[in-house]
Amino acid sequence: AQSVTQLDSQVPVFEEAPVELRCNYSSSVSVYLFWYVQYPNQGLQLLLKYLSGSTLVESINGFEAEFNKSQTSFHLRKPSVHISDTAEYFCAVSDYGSARQLTFGSGTQLTVLP
Amino acid sequence: SAVISQKPSRDICQRGTSLTIQCQVDSQVTMMFWYRQQPGQSLTLIATANQGSEATYESGFVIDKFPISRPNLTFSTLTVSNMSPEDSSIYLCSVPSTGNTEAFFGQGTRLTVV
Repeated sequence: AQSVTQLDSQVPVFEEAPVELRCNYSSSVSVYLFWYVQYPNQGLQLLLKYLSGSTLVESINGFEAEFNKSQTSFHLRKPSVHISDTAEYFCAVSDYGSARQLTFGSGTQLTVLP
Repeated sequence: SAVISQKPSRDICQRGTSLTIQCQVDSQVTMMFWYRQQPGQSLTLIATANQGSEATYESGFVIDKFPISRPNLTFSTLTVSNMSPEDSSIYLCSVPSTGNTEAFFGQGTRLTVV
């Protein structure tokens, strides 16, 4: 069985400050890792994913996440946040080779303050 | 990427009634997945909808409460039966990408039971 732990339920941060949203996972098999974002009253959008290869993955809007196998972590970072980054962020894991079914973390509400 | 349309986007229902949620995908997919997101919580997989066979339910979810139909490779419905206020949630359908390297989500159906 897999599990995902997001250590922070809420992260307030001032605009243009850096942010890190933490995600740890547990699995007995190799995994794919994902970060999804949910803006208010909207569905889930894929932010970035790790399948294999380089352990550092980046999104088009400045977020990055690094897969750390030894620490079973996939923390999400952004060096300078914007008001528009305010949203709920979910870390998720699936079995390696199949992103059909996902196990989600409890989510982190990122609030960017002016 | 797949385009997923869910109907209705939101509804307010009386307890004891049932609501059927539709999910339409713009391409043929073998598997479709239904998730529930209770207020302030993460997503939990309800069931996997397979075309031509019975849906597969996760622990804690039963067919009598959440009957699912999958008449073809682009469409599925989820019914929430005999609703109670505890069923108030966002219900989302999901499909895997070609190659199963990520999952796409519909916009969700926001259900409130009064």
